[in-house]
Amino acid sequence: DGGITQSPKYLFRKEGQNVTLSCEQNLNHDAMYWYRQDPGQGLRLIYYSQIVNDFQKGDIAEGYSVSREKKESFPLTVTSAQKNPTAFYLCASSMSVLSEEQYFGPGTRLTVT
Amino acid sequence: GENVEQHPSTLSVQEGDSAVIKCTYSDSASNYFPWYKQELGKRPQLIIDIRSNVGEKKDQRIAVTLNKTAKHFSLHITETQPEDSAVYFCAAIPLAGNFGNEKLTFGTGTRLTIIP
Repeated sequence: DGGITQSPKYLFRKEGQNVTLSCEQNLNHDAMYWYRQDPGQGLRLIYYSQIVNDFQKGDIAEGYSVSREKKESFPLTVTSAQKNPTAFYLCASSMSVLSEEQYFGPGTRLTVT
Repeated sequence: GENVEQHPSTLSVQEGDSAVIKCTYSDSASNYFPWYKQELGKRPQLIIDIRSNVGEKKDQRIAVTLNKTAKHFSLHITETQPEDSAVYFCAAIPLAGNFGNEKLTFGTGTRLTIIP
């Protein structure tokens, strides 16, 4: 199960706090992605990055922020502006945005109370 | 943007029978259609994919068919086994070289249960 890792597996936060989810890959992939998974809604794209120091909003970027300072790392911050942050978050990577297969991390389940 | 619809949301089949999951897409520019399988508590993994220049692709017990005219594609699993129980996601993307605009759009998922 190496290649792309996420930590922690479970995360609990109080409402109003920002929280940062980690995503690291050693696949030498240029592109990285963050998805949110909710029951019955599939995988929805939050942000993606094609290359270091560049990232683009996905379909549901409001209330989230990212950075891509290193090729291997693409952390996601869930801010207090995100109205419904409790969800399962999946990070993925691919050789490039034009590549076919995305490789997923194991996910982080965030619970905000 | 692209919109992918997936049906059914849940599917139960007897072990040994076939299962079919269907997806439709809206963007005629989409030309790559992967299927991901997510077992309980695990990460999604690519199981099969198809490009728009072919109508069918098969890999042992799984196959995918594509109808570009109708803009729909389907996953077929034959001789189902208990380990096929999982959530399956279809997806679509226009890999057209318009760098920066390609992103996978996923369907809402199908929870497949194989009844022993």
